Amino acid sequence: QKEVEQDPGPLSVPEGAIVSLNCTYSNSAFQYFMWYRQYSRKGPELLMYTYSSGNKEDGRFTAQVDKSSKYISLFIRDSQPSDSATYLCAMRKTSYDKVIFGPGTSLSVIP
Amino acid sequence: GAVVSQHPSRVICKSGTSVKIECRSLDFQATTMFWYRQFPKQSLMLMATSNEGSKATYEQGVEKDKFLINHASLTLSTLTVTSAHPEDSSFYICSGIGTSGISGATDTQYFGPGTRLTVL
Repeated sequence: QKEVEQDPGPLSVPEGAIVSLNCTYSNSAFQYFMWYRQYSRKGPELLMYTYSSGNKEDGRFTAQVDKSSKYISLFIRDSQPSDSATYLCAMRKTSYDKVIFGPGTSLSVIP
Repeated sequence: GAVVSQHPSRVICKSGTSVKIECRSLDFQATTMFWYRQFPKQSLMLMATSNEGSKATYEQGVEKDKFLINHASLTLSTLTVTSAHPEDSSFYICSGIGTSGISGATDTQYFGPGTRLTVL
């Protein structure tokens, strides 16, 4: 079993839709959870950063962490064509531990 | 957020040659830098972790004599792919740990734009 699992997609939605992206993980020691967006042939860009369980909102993005279920989500409201990218969940145990990435979900927002 | 640059952005070389990739943290000091490689449609695979002034720690399966990492200062780390072969062709990405402008956390990883290496 991989440490972090994520549906690779591709996921295609119409502009304005609400997008839900999810990851599951197996190691209960993970405490720091992140979502990165990666455009084609570019480095990942940090979108959301969460410590432990709970929700966090930033503009159109909401991150949720449920440690009891080992499940994290990223919601994108009012999706835009510019949101089309690969979304990577990532997590680690301690502040300076190595980050483990999910395989990424490819998202296309159709105008 | 913090800025990390990489140079070159793209390099094509002949088999058997060595290639050096530079990673710089432009507006923060990165005591720890990471090097990843990414194959098409796959996630980032950590190759090694480097701390300024000390030897890099390599992940299992990564040849330290082939992928030489130097982290001589708080703003510069280099990855040298020695005697490159076509199977080394990949997208190499570095990251440094700095302070997040989003969360204020002092342990956020910021990524460079990546270097695409093609070995002929």
